[in-house]
Amino acid sequence: NAGVTQTPKFQVLKTGQSMTLQCAQDMNHEYMSWYRQDPGMGLRLIHYSVGAGITDQGEVPNGYNVSRSTTEDFPLRLLSAAPSQTSVYFCATRTGLLSYNSPLHFGNGTRLTVT
Amino acid sequence: TQLLEQSPQFLSIQEGENLTVYCNSSSVFSSLQWYRQEPGEGPVLLVTVVTGGEVKKLKRLTFQFGDARKDSSLHITAAQPGDTGLYLCAGGSSSNTGKLIFGQGTTLQVKP
Repeated sequence: NAGVTQTPKFQVLKTGQSMTLQCAQDMNHEYMSWYRQDPGMGLRLIHYSVGAGITDQGEVPNGYNVSRSTTEDFPLRLLSAAPSQTSVYFCATRTGLLSYNSPLHFGNGTRLTVT
Repeated sequence: TQLLEQSPQFLSIQEGENLTVYCNSSSVFSSLQWYRQEPGEGPVLLVTVVTGGEVKKLKRLTFQFGDARKDSSLHITAAQPGDTGLYLCAGGSSSNTGKLIFGQGTTLQVKP
């Protein structure tokens, strides 16, 4: 099993450009989420989904869009990149919404630089 | 807003030393998880504690959940270079629709 696969691993964008960060999982997990990790700030939740067709905002959703058309995929879109979005992005999954005792399974991250 | 404060943020010690990392909040959590992250990879779960006062051991690592479920600690005995990494605590609560709140992380460097 591949687990959680994120692509690309690295990306450099110019201010104003758009891009989509991909996340795919093969564990049949209902819950998928996107975090960003910045030095000294831990992991902050951007958006999450509890199943196909259902998404909701996390702590820092501004500037990001998501959709969930299948159980397996949860892409994160940056419509107009800004330097403040320079970060490492992680996709994480787990079984069920209320299973906060269950472990999050993380991908290996996408390192994004916006110049 | 629930917050988790981790301390210290950075720790550099010699192999064989003991250390403790703290994770504190003014809020009550239903569960507390500890993750370890290595460079270039995503965090990996070490342990979940759910009962106030609970103590769990994982080889040389001892995890404790505070009696009031507002704080947790991670103690490493006789640290080894392989323990080097970023340690993150994360709190879960049924009142927060299942979302996990992460602390800022503790970067540990163990020198041989």
